[in-house]
Amino acid sequence: DAKTTQPPSMDCAEGRAANLPCNHSTISGNEYVYWYRQIHSQGPQYIIHGLKNNETNEMASLIITEDRKSSTLILPHATLRDTAVYYCIVRVAYTNAGKSTFGDGTTLTVKP
Amino acid sequence: NAGVTQTPKFQVLKTGQSMTLQCAQDMNHEYMSWYRQDPGMGLRLIHYSVGAGITDQGEVPNGYNVSRSTTEDFPLRLLSAAPSQTSVYFCASRDQGRNEQYFGPGTRLTVT
Repeated sequence: DAKTTQPPSMDCAEGRAANLPCNHSTISGNEYVYWYRQIHSQGPQYIIHGLKNNETNEMASLIITEDRKSSTLILPHATLRDTAVYYCIVRVAYTNAGKSTFGDGTTLTVKP
Repeated sequence: NAGVTQTPKFQVLKTGQSMTLQCAQDMNHEYMSWYRQDPGMGLRLIHYSVGAGITDQGEVPNGYNVSRSTTEDFPLRLLSAAPSQTSVYFCASRDQGRNEQYFGPGTRLTVT
């Protein structure tokens, strides 16, 4: 599984868009980008995933660059409840995690 | 549906003791996994299973055993607990045809 790089922490004002970057320059052609988040002490929660097209669901949007070497998770109107650690993971779809890990993620703090 | 459940929520062991962490899911998911999360770090995969009777090692399998006799249950056994196994343990499951994993609430284990 490709390795990902995320900034350790970010702040965002409540009501504004939160843009969380992820670098995955060694991604392979059949690997998807997944995003999860972990609110303090809870189990991680799935947010969204994509291959090469931009994706949107009720929680967030995922923008993947044309060369697929990086992506951005967008929370359009961040709330205090979005404060969490956000993990970017790259792996082949429809397979188990294999030997991949969640890495250290980005701690997003939404401030009033 | 209860989703993914884990017991116990908290456990304290002495070095050398053995125990089993329980994980169950009621979503009929084929894939199940065990992760550990050390303080301030991301999740690391211990073992996983792609169906009843089939298990495989993840990134950090040493000191742990698993079995999968039913679709619903995926227990994690610590053979001889060590202080290095102090961690929070998360169980997750996934449907074969979908990408998102569902995580349990975690078991907080302390080995003294």
